[in-house]
Amino acid sequence: EDQVTQSPEALRLQEGESSSLNCSYTVSGLRGLFWYRQDPGKGPEFLFTLYSAGEEKEKERLKATLTKKESFLHITAPKPEDSATYLCAGGFRELIFGTGTLLAVQP
Amino acid sequence: EAGVTQFPSHSVIEKGQTVTLRCDPISGHDNLYWYRRVMGKEIKFLLHFVKESKQDESGMPNNRFLAERTGGTYSTLKVQPAELEDSGVYFCASSQDYISEQYFGPGTRLTVT
Repeated sequence: EDQVTQSPEALRLQEGESSSLNCSYTVSGLRGLFWYRQDPGKGPEFLFTLYSAGEEKEKERLKATLTKKESFLHITAPKPEDSATYLCAGGFRELIFGTGTLLAVQP
Repeated sequence: EAGVTQFPSHSVIEKGQTVTLRCDPISGHDNLYWYRRVMGKEIKFLLHFVKESKQDESGMPNNRFLAERTGGTYSTLKVQPAELEDSGVYFCASSQDYISEQYFGPGTRLTVT
C-alpha cells in the first residue's frame, strides 16, 4: 500500500536552532516528492519538487533532499515566521500526503 | 497571476441537505484535483480532471459525491445528501500537467450537523 510517513508530528525550536524534518515514503510509480507549507486556515503552499535520489533544492532557510526511501527538509536558523505545518506528498498523478509536521519557532 | 480560488470558504448544513462547492483553477491549467481532509487525518485524494474529462475518481467515497468540470474551466463538487462524516476541509488544486506541481486553493470547510 502506498504510504507517506512524516516525523516528528510536532517540533518546537528556538529561533536560530536548526533542525530537520523527515518524510519516508513507499509509493509505487513515484514521479516526484513534494514539500508544502500550510498555515492555519489556508491551503497548502508549494515549496519544492524533488524528482530523483540525490537531488537537493533550496529556498531561503529551507533545503530539501531526497534519497530512494526518504526526504528531509532542513531548516537552517529558523525564524518565528517559519512556524507552520510542513507537508510531504508523493505520487504518480494524485498526491499521497503525510500527516505533516507542526513546526513552532519561538523567539 | 491569480491563484486557485474556492467558494464558499465555509458551509454549515444539516444532515440530508445538499451542498455544492466550487473551484476555479489557475488559468491555463488543464489538470484539476479535489482533495479532502477530515478531522485529524491526512489530506486525501478524491478525483482528477484533465480538461472536462474525469481521469481518475478512485478516491470518491460514494455516489453521494458528484464532480463536474464544465468546459474544462471551473469545477463543482456536489454532496447530496450530506452525512455527518462528510464534514472536513475540501481542497482544490490545479497543475499545468500531471508531472508538474499542484497549486492548492484555500479550501472549503464543510460542517454537517
